[in-house]
Formats: sequence, C-alpha cells, structure tokens
Amino acid sequence: SQQGEEDPQALSIQEGENATMNCSYKTSINNLQWYRQNSGRGLVHLILIRSNEREKHSGRLRVTLDTSKKSSSLLITASRAADTASYFCATDLSNYQLIWGAGTKLIIKP
Amino acid sequence: GAGVSQSPSNKVTEKGKDVELRCDPISGHTALYWYRQRLGQGLEFLIYFQGNSAPDKSGLPSDRFSAERTGESVSTLTIQRTQQEDSAVYLCASSPRASEHTQYFGPGTRLTVL
Repeated sequence: SQQGEEDPQALSIQEGENATMNCSYKTSINNLQWYRQNSGRGLVHLILIRSNEREKHSGRLRVTLDTSKKSSSLLITASRAADTASYFCATDLSNYQLIWGAGTKLIIKP
Repeated sequence: GAGVSQSPSNKVTEKGKDVELRCDPISGHTALYWYRQRLGQGLEFLIYFQGNSAPDKSGLPSDRFSAERTGESVSTLTIQRTQQEDSAVYLCASSPRASEHTQYFGPGTRLTVL
C-alpha cells in the first residue's frame, strides 16, 4: 500500500515561477526523501530530510517537513524547462524499504 | 564512477515467454532493490537483496517472478510465462548499505508483453 501521496497529481507553470508539491504520509517516519524522474525512467535522489529537521535547502530546492501533520512540501524556485519531470516522495517503511507515492507530474512551459 | 546499469533497456515479448532482466549495481553497494512501475504510477517494491541473500521477497507478485544476485554484484529478475499485466518499467536501485536510505537508480527496463 502506498504511504506517501503527492499532490497535485499534475502541475503546469511558466518558466521562472515557483513550483510547490506536497506529500502526505500515514505512519511515523525516520526520514523522507524526494526524487525526480525524467521520461518514466530512472529516479534521481534530490534531498533527504530527517524527522528531527523542519526545513532543508539544496540549490533551488527547499523541503519542509511537518511531522505533526505527516506532510512535506518540495519547493522549486525559479523553475526551468529542465525541471519538467515527475517528482516522488519516499518514506522509510523499515530499515531498508521505502514507500513511494504516485508522484506529481511537473510541466514547465517556456 | 559508473552508476547503476540495466539491460536490456527495452524488451518486447510474447505472452507466455520467459524474460530475464539484468541489473549491475554500483560497485561496493551491498543493498539492491527491484521495483515495478506501471504507467503513471508510483514504484511498487518487489524484492530487496543484502549481499546475495534476499531477506524480503514479499513484493514479488506471484511465483512466476524470481530474482537472484551473485555476491554483491549482478542481479537478475526473471519473469516466467509472462502475462500482459507484467508490462511495466522494471527499475533496479542500489545503496551502500540498507541503513543508508538514499537509493541510486538504473535507467530501467521497459517490458512490453504482447
């Protein structure tokens, strides 16, 4: 069963705008990760945030985590055409297994 | 260094045939994972290897699915008597150790069963 659920399912914005995606999960976690997938192929790890962290930055990415609401958000600032991809959150079900959401499909219009 | 590689990148087969998918993890990574991703959906966990043992095979959808791993190296996922519902992208990932949760993915094998 899916733990993480992203919303929106799809997001289309103009280049240069900010994109925000959300992830909700059901059980307690040790960490939450965000990944990007281009063209339905391999995923690329973007950022990991631990349960005792509230916010983390990496370049144009900003991730927040609210464990009381069991939710996380991924903000991409100053979007570029190359950011067009699907974005997935993953939470740790066990010490080795991740549970994945269905993803948010992001389209950046030039 | 080299990333995770998978072969073939695409496989078209007829219903009822067996297929073998290969994954070469990053050298030194002890943990290896197989996932299935149907079109427009998230990743479905299939199996996890620690070294060459598979402590968790719970995600394998049926006994037509099996996987092996040689040492801490190559893994193969075999699907016997393929069915049309097996059509999906099969993704392999590895990590230095299971406790390090970041996973490094291969490009996947797109399997189409006619």
